[in-house]
Amino acid sequence: GAGVSQSPSNKVTEKGKDVELRCDPISGHTALYWYRQRLGQGLEFLIYFQGNSAPDKSGLPSDRFSAERTGESVSTLTIQRTQQEDSAVYLCASSPHPPDRAIGYTFGSGTRLTVV
Amino acid sequence: AQKITQTQPGMFVQEKEAVTLDCTYDTSDPSYGLFWYKQPSSGEMIFLIYQGSYDQQNATEGRYSLNFQKARKSANLVISASQLGDSAMYFCAGRMEGSNYKLTFGKGTLLTVNP
Repeated sequence: GAGVSQSPSNKVTEKGKDVELRCDPISGHTALYWYRQRLGQGLEFLIYFQGNSAPDKSGLPSDRFSAERTGESVSTLTIQRTQQEDSAVYLCASSPHPPDRAIGYTFGSGTRLTVV
Repeated sequence: AQKITQTQPGMFVQEKEAVTLDCTYDTSDPSYGLFWYKQPSSGEMIFLIYQGSYDQQNATEGRYSLNFQKARKSANLVISASQLGDSAMYFCAGRMEGSNYKLTFGKGTLLTVNP
């Protein structure tokens, strides 16, 4: 597609439920990144995919968080047993590998997750 | 590990004036890149400008320029002739070259342009 697409754009869930967040990167972008942005804060790195592999999962905050990528395309971030502190905007970015310095990384519009 | 520091939580500037947003970085890697992103209230992340550690000249993109001082480990963003539409959060980010290319972000600076 023309840009990075994330769905849903907004998600309200009850504490303890599982949620799945989806990211469709730009076609041909082999690198994919997930970030979390809490209200009024900067972006925290969660996980990086190169192709379908995740060589860096160092930012996943707990074992309730997992992610996968298939077909070197769509990625899904799953949060199990959601907690209120999981409320944030989850942003996905993609890039060629190595990234093109002229355009940086392309970010999606994010999924705003609210745990009530 | 790389650390990005933005010490200005908020900045104000008059329309048509220039403003400098501060960013310092801390890395032991000799090869790295520094980015600035703009995030309007709509939430999208807009790439503004990039500076590589081996670049000989400061980067410039339209009204944006990067005041890169390697010895001070600073990469300040200069916005000239501010416009009302420049009001947004601005994030400095860094990455180590040759690694997995992940970006490390600062906490951001909220810029408000006054008419």
